[in-house]
Amino acid sequence: EAGVTQFPSHSVIEKGQTVTLRCDPISGHDNLYWYRRVMGKEIKFLLHFVKESKQDESGMPNNRFLAERTGGTYSTLKVQPAELEDSGVYFCASSQVRVSEAFFGQGTRLTVV
Amino acid sequence: DAKTTQPPSMDCAEGRAANLPCNHSTISGNEYVYWYRQIHSQGPQYIIHGLKNNETNEMASLIITEDRKSSTLILPHATLRDTAVYYCIVCSVGSSNTGKLIFGQGTTLQVKP
Repeated sequence: EAGVTQFPSHSVIEKGQTVTLRCDPISGHDNLYWYRRVMGKEIKFLLHFVKESKQDESGMPNNRFLAERTGGTYSTLKVQPAELEDSGVYFCASSQVRVSEAFFGQGTRLTVV
Repeated sequence: DAKTTQPPSMDCAEGRAANLPCNHSTISGNEYVYWYRQIHSQGPQYIIHGLKNNETNEMASLIITEDRKSSTLILPHATLRDTAVYYCIVCSVGSSNTGKLIFGQGTTLQVKP
């Protein structure tokens, strides 16, 4: 069974540009989460989808971040325009039941220069 | 969700048991204790979780005190591949909880030959 897959694994962009991160959850997992770790800080929750609906987006830092989950399958996280402080590792996780074992992807390392 | 306290770092000899403590003195009745770990440059990995009874799986054992204010994760025979940051997370199972995980600083476990 394929795990959670994230694309790209690394991305280097200039300040002001747009970047889109993609997450493919485990098939059949209705719950999808985005987290990120910025340099030297703890892993922080960004938002939670149940199927295509956003259940909790309390962790989204500002309106430069837009997450979507088309048809309740894969999800994208767009940063527009990117700022230097957006650099970090973005993780996606999925789970079958809301409070259960969550499977994480390998992460996307975003560097904004 | 209740806050957890973990030692910042621990060492363990290869082949010996690693015992990682966690304090969660403000835990409430509907909160589970979850353990995850993050091996360098990988996504977090679920290890085990429990409510009040001790739990064991193929990776580890979880011992929760009777008053539920603390717990210990036990890796029975630590290997070099167990070197990682270990996170103790308390997560509510109430209907209002989305299943998001609140990561702290964790314990960096160094397994030495």
